[in-house]
Amino acid sequence: GESVGLHLPTLSVQEGDNSIINCAYSNSASDYFIWYKQESGKGPQFIIDIRSNMDKRQGQRVTVLLNKTVKHLSLQIAATQPGDSAVYFCAEKSGGSYIPTFGRGTSLIVHP
Amino acid sequence: GAVVSQHPSWVICKSGTSVKIECRSLDFQATTMFWYRQFPKQSLMLMATSNEGSKATYEQGVEKDKFLINHASLTLSTLTVTSAHPEDSSFYICSARDPGQGAQPQHFGDGTRLSIL
Repeated sequence: GESVGLHLPTLSVQEGDNSIINCAYSNSASDYFIWYKQESGKGPQFIIDIRSNMDKRQGQRVTVLLNKTVKHLSLQIAATQPGDSAVYFCAEKSGGSYIPTFGRGTSLIVHP
Repeated sequence: GAVVSQHPSWVICKSGTSVKIECRSLDFQATTMFWYRQFPKQSLMLMATSNEGSKATYEQGVEKDKFLINHASLTLSTLTVTSAHPEDSSFYICSARDPGQGAQPQHFGDGTRLSIL
C-alpha cells in the first residue's frame, strides 16, 4: 500500500538473530511483489521478488513469504548482520504496469 | 549488473535557483525512467515517468512546470527543479527499467540530496 504518516516502524535485533519484516498491501490485484533495501543516503537496492502464484521464495539468507488471503508479505533475514541495517521497503505491482507502489518501510537496526 | 548513475549526489543552493539532476543508465538503454521524491523517514513517492523522445507523464499533484523532465536519449533523463524554494528540499531518486530483463524490477540511482537555503 501507499506510505502514509511520518513515523517509520523500527525493528531492533541482535547480530546473529533472524529478522522478520512485515508488509501489508491493499491491492488484491497486485501480482508481483518486491523487497528493497535502502541504506542511508542511497537509492533502493533490489533484494528479492515473488509472483502472486507463489507463496514462498528463498534467496541467499533471505526468504519472502506471501499470504494473498490476508494481503501480507514478509521478509525473513537469517543470521542478521550489522550490514543488514537499513530501511526495507516492500513494493507491489499489478497487471502490465512497470511502476511499483512502495509500502511504508521498516527500519532494521542490528546491534553487534 | 545494470547500473543507474545519478549526478550530483548532493547539492546546496540558494532559493530561486534552478537545479538540474541527471540520471544515466550505464550499461543498458532505458526507454523509460522514473523520478521519485523521498522525504526523511518516508517512502518513495513517484513524481513522473520519463519517456524517451516524448513528454513525461506526471503524477497527480506534481507541477510539471516546476519539475521539468527531459529524456533526450536512451541513456539519459534529466530533472530540473525550477526556481527552487526550501520546500523543494528533498531526496530525489531516479530509476530505470532494462527492457532486456523482461519483468525484472527497476534499477535505482543513489539519489540526489537537494537542500535549498
